[in-house]
Amino acid sequence: GENVEQHPSTLSVQEGDSAVIKCTYSDSASNYFPWYKQELGKRPQLIIDIRSNVGEKKDQRIAVTLNKTAKHFSLHITETQPEDSAVYFCAASMGRMRFGAGTRLTVKP
Amino acid sequence: NAGVTQTPKFQVLKTGQSMTLQCAQDMNHEYMSWYRQDPGMGLRLIHYSVGAGITDQGEVPNGYNVSRSTTEDFPLRLLSAAPSQTSVYFCASSYSSGLADSYEQYFGPGTRLTVT
Repeated sequence: GENVEQHPSTLSVQEGDSAVIKCTYSDSASNYFPWYKQELGKRPQLIIDIRSNVGEKKDQRIAVTLNKTAKHFSLHITETQPEDSAVYFCAASMGRMRFGAGTRLTVKP
Repeated sequence: NAGVTQTPKFQVLKTGQSMTLQCAQDMNHEYMSWYRQDPGMGLRLIHYSVGAGITDQGEVPNGYNVSRSTTEDFPLRLLSAAPSQTSVYFCASSYSSGLADSYEQYFGPGTRLTVT
């Protein structure tokens, strides 16, 4: 089955810096790659997603890149703000969704 | 729309007790799933359903049962609670056009379960 690895597990940046979180997946049939943000005590919420026929997608300060050959995808957050502090999960799916273990991002003011 | 709702929000059980976690959605989504979330392990799929009357196992199905008699409801039953089932449980739903296709999953608020 699908296996998703996510790195790093924790990430601390200064406000205004960029943050990058990386994920690899094992099943080459996976065709959908979402990223979720989870604030403390809340439910996960989708922040951006990408499909296997697209290499890059951007939404304001957030971008995701996908390398199908290498089977890895990354989340890029630019101009980080304290409210970006949360746990971020990547996932890979072809029907059933498999999540990474999460990255705790802390943005220091 | 209420989206995805879950009850209860919190629950404490003794080892060996059984209970049902409720999940409902009002978005007419075909695909529904149950996850458990443990520290450092992300979200692990317990069971899922691609439509009324159809369910299947995920990564960690042991000790749990599900049924899907309607499109709206997808209850999760713990047969005989164990301390290892202490976790936060999330129900999710999404639009689905087929088993090989995926779309955004909408999560419920979660149920925090403690088994003593």
